[in-house]
Amino acid sequence: AQSVTQLGSHVSVSEGALVLLRCNYSSSVPPYLFWYVQYPNQGLQLLLKYTTGATLVKGINGFEAEFKKSETSFHLTKPSAHMSDAAEYFCAVSPPNFGNEKLTFGTGTRLTIIP
Amino acid sequence: EPEVTQTPSHQVTQMGQEVILRCVPISNHLYFYWYRQILGQKVEFLVSFYNNEISEKSEIFDDQFSVERPDGSNFTLKIRSTKLEDSAMYFCASREDNQPQHFGDGTRLSIL
Repeated sequence: AQSVTQLGSHVSVSEGALVLLRCNYSSSVPPYLFWYVQYPNQGLQLLLKYTTGATLVKGINGFEAEFKKSETSFHLTKPSAHMSDAAEYFCAVSPPNFGNEKLTFGTGTRLTIIP
Repeated sequence: EPEVTQTPSHQVTQMGQEVILRCVPISNHLYFYWYRQILGQKVEFLVSFYNNEISEKSEIFDDQFSVERPDGSNFTLKIRSTKLEDSAMYFCASREDNQPQHFGDGTRLSIL
């Protein structure tokens, strides 16, 4: 079975500061990894994904994440936070193929940006 | 950009009543999913659907739940006899082959 742990249910950073949201996974084989963002009263929007290839993946809105197999991690970063980044962020995993498999989500991290 | 559309955005229902949540997946997508998110908790998988049949379902998806693709565009989730603990945000997702899932904005279901 796969699982995802997101450390820190709430993270606050100042505008312009580095954003770091942590995600660790547990899986018997290296999974596919995803970050989704949820703005208030909206659905889940895909930020970025890792499937194969380059371990540093770039997504929308200036976010990026690095897959580290040795650390079973997929932390999300952004060099400079913007007020519009305030949202809830979910890390998710799936088995390493695009079959019918479900996504398994972490509990989410609410990001607050301090002006 | 094409979107997954869910209706209604908010549904209020008396306990014991049947409710149908509707989703219009992106038109060329082949795989369909329902997830739910109880307030303050993680997003949980309910069911996946492909080729007009259920591919996988979770323990949550018991006999009171059913899914249907009644026509070429809609994908519905029916809860036969709602319970208080069914109150949650329900998300529909769809995807095409070899691509990530795209989510709708959700239906907030409130059981009174």
